Amino acid sequence: GAVVSQHPSWVICKSGTSVKIECRSLDFQATTMFWYRQFPKQSLMLMATSNEGSKATYEQGVEKDKFLINHASLTLSTLTVTSAHPEDSSFYICSARDRVNSNQPQHFGDGTRLSIL
Amino acid sequence: QKEVEQNSGPLSVPEGAIASLNCTYSDRGSQSFFWYRQYSGKSPELIMFIYSNGDKEDGRFTAQLNKASQYVSLLIRDSQPSDSATYLCAAGGGGSNYKLTFGKGTLLTVNP
Repeated sequence: GAVVSQHPSWVICKSGTSVKIECRSLDFQATTMFWYRQFPKQSLMLMATSNEGSKATYEQGVEKDKFLINHASLTLSTLTVTSAHPEDSSFYICSARDRVNSNQPQHFGDGTRLSIL
Repeated sequence: QKEVEQNSGPLSVPEGAIASLNCTYSDRGSQSFFWYRQYSGKSPELIMFIYSNGDKEDGRFTAQLNKASQYVSLLIRDSQPSDSATYLCAAGGGGSNYKLTFGKGTLLTVNP
């Protein structure tokens, strides 16, 4: 089945650090990837939609200058949390839509747990 | 504001029983509906998806969709302790809008 690889799975860093999270579709091409954030005991909240070769579309309330998204190829999207602070600590999850089998559900990565000290 | 509502639970059922999970959605334009299972600390795992009114069965799982009532449900037959998890309902838009709106999830506990 379709696999989405997310890296790293867990990161701890100091306040003020920038952190990059990668989302790769391993056996399919993804023109669209989605970035979600999930706080403890909460549901997944869509942060942004990442489109290959174009600018990401951010959801209301998500700061585009803080959460930089790059989708430079059909198999890779990256989310960079710039100048991270403790309130950015969360579980970040990406998903990807298969360009060919576009009517199939999104495939989710395993998530990245980010802890800012 | 598109919303997906779920009973937060927790829902507790004995092993072997039927677990019934419910979900309502506010956007009548929603075309696709998904049930995900999420274990603590893990990413969501797709259980079922349904696009048309009626029932869809896959093994021990049955998804039911009623667009007129804007209601989606998931039945789990012969519940097992390994089914204990949070179940997330999600609704997606139609056409080229593939964004998903998730409910807050229902915590299911299956007691041995």
